[in-house]
Amino acid sequence: SQELEQSPQSLIVQEGKNLTINCTSSKTLYGLYWYKQKYGEGLIFLMMLQKGGEEKSHEKITAKLDEKKQQSSLHITASQPSHAGIYLCGADRSNYQLIWGAGTKLIIKP
Amino acid sequence: DTAVSQTPKYLVTQMGNDKSIKCEQNLGHDTMYWYKQDSKKFLKIMFSYNNKELIINETVPNRFSPKSPDKAHLNLHINSLELGDSAVYFCASSAGGNYGYTFGSGTRLTVV
Repeated sequence: SQELEQSPQSLIVQEGKNLTINCTSSKTLYGLYWYKQKYGEGLIFLMMLQKGGEEKSHEKITAKLDEKKQQSSLHITASQPSHAGIYLCGADRSNYQLIWGAGTKLIIKP
Repeated sequence: DTAVSQTPKYLVTQMGNDKSIKCEQNLGHDTMYWYKQDSKKFLKIMFSYNNKELIINETVPNRFSPKSPDKAHLNLHINSLELGDSAVYFCASSAGGNYGYTFGSGTRLTVV
């Protein structure tokens, strides 16, 4: 199993609905990143969380870090077609080292 | 303007060839990285340079050699390419702190 487990692996959501993606670590989280990947466009930085309980928002996307549970959740409100893509969570393990989850593929149905 | 640009985007080459992938960032970041993405989208760090100095050199074959002529460039040269080298390679840069990483769009390498 991977150090970072993302769930679900894939998600099909009706446009306008809310959704949540989870990222769970097998070790203590010191820094947690959320990225969005679109084919041919590389990885788009969404936000970084460092402190337990920290919550950040970027447009309609909100991410929270639950340090005790070693988990982060990414919540999208009123999903739009532009939200479609692969969402990756990454974590700092030591200086400059990044561990990544396997990604969650999000499809938005019109 | 593209912040982190990688060239080429696609590279198809035969086994045994030598190839290079170039990476340039115009963000003024001090640190640059090369990551290899496996078939499960897992990104593994290969190398990292800080101000032209190698600071991370993970367990990768000696056939892979990074070169940083200045802090805005980090190129990856691969000798004697093997089938198992086929993957997507991502270049990234960071300013450290809370700013995260900025990634290039990736180079899809296919060795035939």
